[in-house]
Amino acid sequence: NAGVTQTPKFQVLKTGQSMTLQCAQDMNHEYMSWYRQDPGMGLRLIHYSVGAGITDQGEVPNGYNVSRSTTEDFPLRLLSAAPSQTSVYFCASRFRTGPQSYTFGSGTRLTVV
Amino acid sequence: GNSVTQMEGPVTLSEEAFLTINCTYTATGYPSLFWYVQYPGEGLQLLLKATKADDKGSNKGFEATYRKETTSFHLEKGSVQVSDSAVYFCALSVPPTQGGSEKLVFGKGMKLTVNP
Repeated sequence: NAGVTQTPKFQVLKTGQSMTLQCAQDMNHEYMSWYRQDPGMGLRLIHYSVGAGITDQGEVPNGYNVSRSTTEDFPLRLLSAAPSQTSVYFCASRFRTGPQSYTFGSGTRLTVV
Repeated sequence: GNSVTQMEGPVTLSEEAFLTINCTYTATGYPSLFWYVQYPGEGLQLLLKATKADDKGSNKGFEATYRKETTSFHLEKGSVQVSDSAVYFCALSVPPTQGGSEKLVFGKGMKLTVNP
């Protein structure tokens, strides 16, 4: 049981570069989401998806794009990286209905220089 | 809006000490409440949850009771171990309003270090 798999674990980008953070889950979860974790800020929701083909913005969506072409995958794209996007990124998933608990990936530590 | 306020720490305790981490919330509707734990270098894991008033969640010796009258969900453990060293997050989720989706709202997290 792989759960939620995130790649890469670490990444260093130069300002202005683009990249995609990958997230895949094998639990048939309809709901997937991306959070960023910053010191003293807790976790903040970037984007989420309630199913294939459906995405919506969270609390801090600017500078990020997502798509959901399959149930399993939910990539997060940084269009033009900025130092303010230096953070640890977590992908989380759950079943769509009920007061469900979330399964988190192990995170991607991104540094933008 | 929906928000969670928790002790931020960091907190250092000796092994076998008593632990309390305070958590209060503000929410529209009837939230479910959670405690997540993040061990060093790992993602978040669900520690315990409660879905309605007066429910008690428990796991690994940790407990928390959903108190609607005080809008609180304090985490307690009677005797901590070195292996409990981690960051602890209180969180809530509220059923979606029309056209929306349930979202998880986190507190800022509290780092606990337990020394032998």
